[in-house]
Amino acid sequence: AQSVTQLGSHVSVSEGALVLLRCNYSSSVPPYLFWYVQYPNQGLQLLLKYTTGATLVKGINGFEAEFKKSETSFHLTKPSAHMSDAAEYFCAVSESYNFNKFYFGSGTKLNVKP
Amino acid sequence: EAQVTQNPRYLITVTGKKLTVTCSQNMNHEYMSWYRQDPGLGLRQIYYSMNVEVTDKGDVPEGYKVSRKEKRNFPLILESPSPNQTSLYFCASSPVLHTQYFGPGTRLTVL
Repeated sequence: AQSVTQLGSHVSVSEGALVLLRCNYSSSVPPYLFWYVQYPNQGLQLLLKYTTGATLVKGINGFEAEFKKSETSFHLTKPSAHMSDAAEYFCAVSESYNFNKFYFGSGTKLNVKP
Repeated sequence: EAQVTQNPRYLITVTGKKLTVTCSQNMNHEYMSWYRQDPGLGLRQIYYSMNVEVTDKGDVPEGYKVSRKEKRNFPLILESPSPNQTSLYFCASSPVLHTQYFGPGTRLTVL
């Protein structure tokens, strides 16, 4: 089974600062990779995904992530944080040979300070 | 409006009393899935379904059952709930590979 590691259960940044949320996965075969966002008392919403092709993926709300096979990483970034970015973020993977099974990281809560 | 709905949204029950959490989607999606979310553990997949009458186990299927008799519905059944099944449950559906749409969640407490 896959494992997904998100470093830092809580990350705090100032408004306007760079957001960097880290995600590493365990598979030796490149999986499919996702970032989801969860606002309080809501379900999850897809931010972006990587399946094949360009390793730098752009998503909604100004977020992007880069797939680095050599580092088994898929870190999420945003150049300038907004107060509205405060939420919990989940990295997820699915196996490229069984894309119906998903594995999520434990989540990172992003706090944005004014 | 395209959506995934879950009912009930909140449920408090007692150990051993069978319950069903319903999930319905109006987007004609083939793929549906159930997850539980627990603090510090993220989401863990319970069961998924690729289409009507086709289901398979996720990472944590013990204590749960599912059925997919219609494309739009994917109920989650707890035959004999136990306190360790107290959790926040999410249903999701997908029209194509990977882009899952999540329901609003069902918060279950088993006493």
